[in-house]
Amino acid sequence: QKEVEQNSGPLSVPEGAIASLNCTYSDRGSQSFFWYRQYSGKSPELIMSIYSNGDKEDGRFTAQLNKASQYVSLLIRDSQPSDSATYLCAVMRTSYGKLTFGQGTILTVHP
Amino acid sequence: GAGVSQSPSNKVTEKGKDVELRCDPISGHTALYWYRQSLGQGLEFLIYFQGNSAPDKSGLPSDRFSAERTGGSVSTLTIQRTQQEDSAVYLCASSSSMEAYGYTFGSGTRLTVV
Repeated sequence: QKEVEQNSGPLSVPEGAIASLNCTYSDRGSQSFFWYRQYSGKSPELIMSIYSNGDKEDGRFTAQLNKASQYVSLLIRDSQPSDSATYLCAVMRTSYGKLTFGQGTILTVHP
Repeated sequence: GAGVSQSPSNKVTEKGKDVELRCDPISGHTALYWYRQSLGQGLEFLIYFQGNSAPDKSGLPSDRFSAERTGGSVSTLTIQRTQQEDSAVYLCASSSSMEAYGYTFGSGTRLTVV
């Protein structure tokens, strides 16, 4: 079992729709959770972090964490073609240290 | 500096040669990480430096790989006797140990072994 699992996609949504990206992790001791966006040929950039169960909203992005189910998700509302990228889920066991990444989900937002 | 700086941005080397990749982290960041990303793959952890502590080398794939961090700042990743399977983008990141805000990545070094 991989430490962090994501559906590789591609996930295709129409412009204006909600894109839902999911991630599960195996280490029940994980404490910090991150979503990175990676455009083709570019390095990953941090878009969301979440540490407590529940929802965290930032603009069009909402991260959701359920530690009991070992599940973290990212919702993108009003999806735009510029959101088309690979979204990487990352998990950290402590408050700082090594991040373990999932394989990433390719998101395509079509006009 | 304002961001994580990596050099060179591209490196083409012949199989069997040694290469050095450089990373200059964000000023004041005590933690520095090396990852690599092969084409179409996720990020593979290589090594992690935190302040003056012994580095976490658990991700280095073989003894051909080594890294050092001088003066708590600049880091060099060295790959000896390069092989074609070493071809990848090598990403460096840094973070502050005081806040769990994730990493800031550099733009990477694309290594091609021919």
